[in-house]
Amino acid sequence: GDKVKQSPSALSLQEGTNSALRCNFSIAATTVQWFLQNPRGSLMNLFYLVPGTKENGRLKSAFDSKESYSTLHIRDAQLEDSGTYFCAADASSGSWQLIFGSGTQLTVMP
Amino acid sequence: ETAVFQTPNYHVTQVGNEVSFNCKQTLGHDTMYWYKQDSKKLLKIMFSYNNKQLIVNETVPRRFSPQSSDKAHLNLRIKSVEPEDSAVYLCASSPGTYNQAPLFGEGTRLSVL
Repeated sequence: GDKVKQSPSALSLQEGTNSALRCNFSIAATTVQWFLQNPRGSLMNLFYLVPGTKENGRLKSAFDSKESYSTLHIRDAQLEDSGTYFCAADASSGSWQLIFGSGTQLTVMP
Repeated sequence: ETAVFQTPNYHVTQVGNEVSFNCKQTLGHDTMYWYKQDSKKLLKIMFSYNNKQLIVNETVPRRFSPQSSDKAHLNLRIKSVEPEDSAVYLCASSPGTYNQAPLFGEGTRLSVL
């Protein structure tokens, strides 16, 4: 099965609303990262997390290693937030491999 | 400008040809990577190169080979392309040891006819 499972696979939001994306892990992830791939294909790192939470502007992410999940909260969604969000976890402690989820395609509508 | 630069942006070729993609990072990072993103947008690590040490994902076919002249460059060569090689190839780099917030290039889209 999927080692990193993302949900939902697709999401439409009205501009100005809030939402949460989630990743569940079936591996013992020690770090989690969130990326945004814009419609042009550029992949941008949003967060690099050890267990705990981080906040950056309208984005907030949490990683619970004991319960094996991570969340990405988007507050006051804007049109430029549209794109595909990926989470990724290291395959094991100090591993060279990042394992990516299959992505959440987010569309923010005016 | 500091970033990860990939060339070409697009490449169309025929089955059996050899192709080579370039990647350069001007960030002073120690580690570079190649990822493959398929038509379903699934991202998979192919190679990692750190301090002249190359690590290969065992699922990568042998026709793929990375080539590095120094820590700022990691090129990707495909010896004899197959139709299933059609994908976007993303190069990335990160500071220090593996996978700490990698920065990605814009990708090279390969179409094999």
